[in-house]
Amino acid sequence: ETGVTQTPRHLVMGMTNKKSLKCEQHLGHNAMYWYKQSAKKPLELMFVYNFKEQTENNSVPSRFSPECPNSSHLFLHLHTLQPEDSALYLCASSQDFVTDTQYFGPGTRLTVL
Amino acid sequence: TQLLEQSPQFLSIQEGENLTVYCNSSSVFSSLQWYRQEPGEGPVLLVTVVTGGEVKKLKRLTFQFGDARKDSSLHITAAQPGDTGLYLCAGGVAGNNRKLIWGLGTSLAVNP
Repeated sequence: ETGVTQTPRHLVMGMTNKKSLKCEQHLGHNAMYWYKQSAKKPLELMFVYNFKEQTENNSVPSRFSPECPNSSHLFLHLHTLQPEDSALYLCASSQDFVTDTQYFGPGTRLTVL
Repeated sequence: TQLLEQSPQFLSIQEGENLTVYCNSSSVFSSLQWYRQEPGEGPVLLVTVVTGGEVKKLKRLTFQFGDARKDSSLHITAAQPGDTGLYLCAGGVAGNNRKLIWGLGTSLAVNP
């Protein structure tokens, strides 16, 4: 595997479900990011981790819970989501958190029913 | 609030035509990146420009960063169907480069 991988690629869940998104980067980077991409909106930065420590949480609702066990893996735990949370969730990584060049995974297309 | 405006929003052209898309802001950026995103995939970095007036070429793609580092353009020569996708620009904020300011993108369709 190379680059940034994300699983699953597609996820359909009910509002009462609990699910997790997984991201893994094989680039030796130290910073990882979660973004939300919705139609007609710019990419929204959700969370930033640098050396496993969360450095940014952009007022994301608590129904989204990130976890970064090491510099290569990032999870986004989901529970009691709303239909408006349906979007493409993108993971990205960069060499460090002050480097502006980010490399993206293919995303998870999430649909909340 | 810093914004990046991209134009046009949508562009549909025939194979072989040339095109230019724009990324404009009233804010100064320390760097600017262009990404291409295909349906169902994440954005793929095309180029990063950091110096005002800088021009970079990637095969048939020419990227320019404005002298004042507030705007950028992407010119494609002799477009091909493989160029189809969403072109996104993102500006790095000086002193806070981990936060990129994103445009909405230009959706390009190149018809054979």
